Amino acid sequence: DAKTTQPPSMDCAEGRAANLPCNHSTISGNEYVYWYRQIHSQGPQYIIHGLKNNETNEMASLIITEDRKSSTLILPHATLRDTAVYYCIVRVASGAGANNLFFGTGTRLTVIP
Amino acid sequence: DTGVSQDPRHKITKRGQNVTFRCDPISEHNRLYWYRQTLGQGPEFLTYFQNEAQLEKSRLLSDRFSAERPKGSFSTLEIQRTEQGDSAMYLCASSLEVGGEQYFGPGTRLTVT
Repeated sequence: DAKTTQPPSMDCAEGRAANLPCNHSTISGNEYVYWYRQIHSQGPQYIIHGLKNNETNEMASLIITEDRKSSTLILPHATLRDTAVYYCIVRVASGAGANNLFFGTGTRLTVIP
Repeated sequence: DTGVSQDPRHKITKRGQNVTFRCDPISEHNRLYWYRQTLGQGPEFLTYFQNEAQLEKSRLLSDRFSAERPKGSFSTLEIQRTEQGDSAMYLCASSLEVGGEQYFGPGTRLTVT
């Protein structure tokens, strides 16, 4: 069952920030927000995850709203190699459901030269 | 390369034949996952191992499918009496701990003719 809603596709100009939204209005208090991406013909790649606070790593930033019902993945300076399908996933960190990543259909991001 | 590896990368088989795929996880990861991905869809969870124990199976894993991880290291996924509907990408992932980031292999693309 889908727990997240993402736009099916987005375009972004090379060098600009890519902001990918995700709605997860039914998220539970113990569920984290994870982002993965899948470049064509490759396996999914972990990007970032968070619970309540905003998170940043070398790949991206994750902004989670205060009510935790939505989040945005930010790629600060998109490159052509960031063209991929991006999946927003909510999951618990332990117990039943912790091992099953539900990917949905994601957002296909195309970075345009 | 110390990532997750899968073999073969591509397999073409005739309907009714049996096929077996292999996955070698990251060496220190004791958790291993199998997913299936059809065209235009995100990966779907099939099964999960902790060491050699198969702890979770999706209802997608019909009785024609069997997965093993005999020594808690590599895993095999066998499909008996293949059907055209089995054509998909079969992805393997591993993680160090429950709820941790899952690292995916490149997948095995199965085509059943």
